[in-house]
Amino acid sequence: GESVGLHLPTLSVQEGDNSIINCAYSNSASDYFIWYKQESGKGPQFIIDIRSNMDKRQGQRVTVLLNKTVKHLSLQIAATQPGDSAVYFCAESYTGRRALTFGSGTRLQVQP
Amino acid sequence: GAVVSQHPSWVICKSGTSVKIECRSLDFQATTMFWYRQFPKQSLMLMATSNEGSKATYEQGVEKDKFLINHASLTLSTLTVTSAHPEDSSFYICSARNPGGGEETQYFGPGTRLLVL
Repeated sequence: GESVGLHLPTLSVQEGDNSIINCAYSNSASDYFIWYKQESGKGPQFIIDIRSNMDKRQGQRVTVLLNKTVKHLSLQIAATQPGDSAVYFCAESYTGRRALTFGSGTRLQVQP
Repeated sequence: GAVVSQHPSWVICKSGTSVKIECRSLDFQATTMFWYRQFPKQSLMLMATSNEGSKATYEQGVEKDKFLINHASLTLSTLTVTSAHPEDSSFYICSARNPGGGEETQYFGPGTRLLVL
């Protein structure tokens, strides 16, 4: 069946460093991907999305890279700040499916 | 971005009672809303898709008679956990799709923490 998973459950970085969070997916039909940030006790917050016709998209301090060949996407956070500490989820969908399938999540810990 | 609210933010109830959770899109109309459940340190699991004016679509393994969903307007969907039991204790999160933000863009509510004693 389809699944979206993550390589690393916890990532610890120093403040100011760049962070890279990875995500693998298995459904070759997936054509839309989103990264969410979830702080403790709160709902997921939209960060950035990308469609399968692109391989890179940049936002404010964040970049998402998509490699369809190996079914892998990553979220890069530049100059990581303590406020970036949270759990990050990738999610995917495909044309015709309105719901999202979430990955297992990565906890990002930013050390001051 | 689009704002989605949930009420209540947390609820404690006795086993056997029913609990209603509301999900509202505050600044846009949502023909489709989604209900997720999240257990501690786990990911979000889709429970059902709420469709305005029609029956909800439930994911495999989710009991439709236990988790009643009503989407009576373009800005409100409700989830009622009937005859709640301790194993229903979880974090329930709704999301709404904002057509103006792209077909698949979903915005999430703050979640409702349910504790069944």
